[in-house]
Amino acid sequence: DTGVSQDPRHKITKRGQNVTFRCDPISEHNRLYWYRQTLGQGPEFLTYFQNEAQLEKSRLLSDRFSAERPKGSFSTLEIQRTEQGDSAMYLCASSFADRGLTDTQYFGPGTRLTVL
Amino acid sequence: AQSVTQPDIHITVSEGASLELRCNYSYGATPYLFWYVQSPGQGLQLLLKYFSGDTLVQGIKGFEAEFKRSQSSFNLRKPSVHWSDAAEYFCAVGASPGTASKLTFGTGTRLQVTL
Repeated sequence: DTGVSQDPRHKITKRGQNVTFRCDPISEHNRLYWYRQTLGQGPEFLTYFQNEAQLEKSRLLSDRFSAERPKGSFSTLEIQRTEQGDSAMYLCASSFADRGLTDTQYFGPGTRLTVL
Repeated sequence: AQSVTQPDIHITVSEGASLELRCNYSYGATPYLFWYVQSPGQGLQLLLKYFSGDTLVQGIKGFEAEFKRSQSSFNLRKPSVHWSDAAEYFCAVGASPGTASKLTFGTGTRLQVTL
């Protein structure tokens, strides 16, 4: 079963450090999403890609956050100068979106970030 | 803007009892609705979805949900709960096709199952 995979599963870092997360979507999926989930809350949308193009970014995504999907396959999410408020679960999802049809998102296991 | 309300933060049911988790949405157009389940420390697993057609949709693990436009609701049901169903359940609404398909989630309902 080649579902969505994320690496690492857990990351502990000190405030001010940079961190990078990776997401590998389901093969042939053309859309890739990033969400953030804090304790006791539902996931919140951060950004999404259609192939390699980043088409939308949430206002939650401050300028310390950057996401890439260079070849339309895997994606990375980098957080620079981490703050304690960045502590959360970062979820990646992928989908296949055909023109005119809505898509179903399949989620990875998430990366749990703890900023000390 | 779209929004989802899950009024019950925590529900406890006995194994074998029936279950209904409530979900109310706010969206200006035809909603695309989803239920996901999340076990502790894990990602989200899709239970079922509603795009159009029959308002009663069947999902995995014996779950079903009914879309009621007049009540702006999409409640999740299961006739007989198993101990393994204990988890957090999230209702989500998606945008219309052809636009950004970001999901808006509710805050979740934590289900506890007693033996």
